[in-house]
Amino acid sequence: GENVEQHPSTLSVQEGDSAVIKCTYSDSASNYFPWYKQELGKGPQLIIDIRSNVGEKKDQRIAVTLNKTAKHFSLHITETQPEDSAVYFCAASMGDFGNEKLTFGTGTRLTIIP
Amino acid sequence: DSGVTQTPKHLITATGQRVTLRCSPRSGDLSVYWYQQSLDQGLQFLIQYYNGEERAKGNILERFSAQQFPDLHSELNLSSLELGDSALYFCASSVEQGLPGANVLTFGAGSRLTVL
Repeated sequence: GENVEQHPSTLSVQEGDSAVIKCTYSDSASNYFPWYKQELGKGPQLIIDIRSNVGEKKDQRIAVTLNKTAKHFSLHITETQPEDSAVYFCAASMGDFGNEKLTFGTGTRLTIIP
Repeated sequence: DSGVTQTPKHLITATGQRVTLRCSPRSGDLSVYWYQQSLDQGLQFLIQYYNGEERAKGNILERFSAQQFPDLHSELNLSSLELGDSALYFCASSVEQGLPGANVLTFGAGSRLTVL
């Protein structure tokens, strides 16, 4: 089955700086790559996603890049703010609707230092 | 509030016992997913239901079972509980209709199970 590795497991960034989280996946058939943010005491929330026919997607301060050849994708957060502190999960899946058997990475705890 | 409701929020029980976790999906969503999140672990997919029928199965133990009822709410039953079953159990829902990839997976706040 699919295996998703995520690095780093913890990341501390000065407020205003950029943060980058990287993931690799094993199954070349995977075609959907969402990123989730989990705040303390809450469930994960989708923040951005990308499909395999796109190389990059941006939404305000958040961007995701995908390299299908290398089977890795990354989350980029620019101009970080204290509210960006959370655990971030990458995931990968295949299937018509994108949610079937989502395989998650082990998470990155991001801390923004004021 | 994500629109996905999970009860109970917290549950403490003993080894060997059985518990039921309940999930009400977001209004209009037909599919329900169950995930397990253990300490220092990512989210492990357990099982998916779509409109009352089982659609996909992950690494769900035989001691665990689930179902989705006609009103689309779902229950996850955990039996013969072991210490290692202590975890956060999340339910998520999505529409699973329309354009492929256009369906957002919405998670509930989770049920924290502690087995003593």
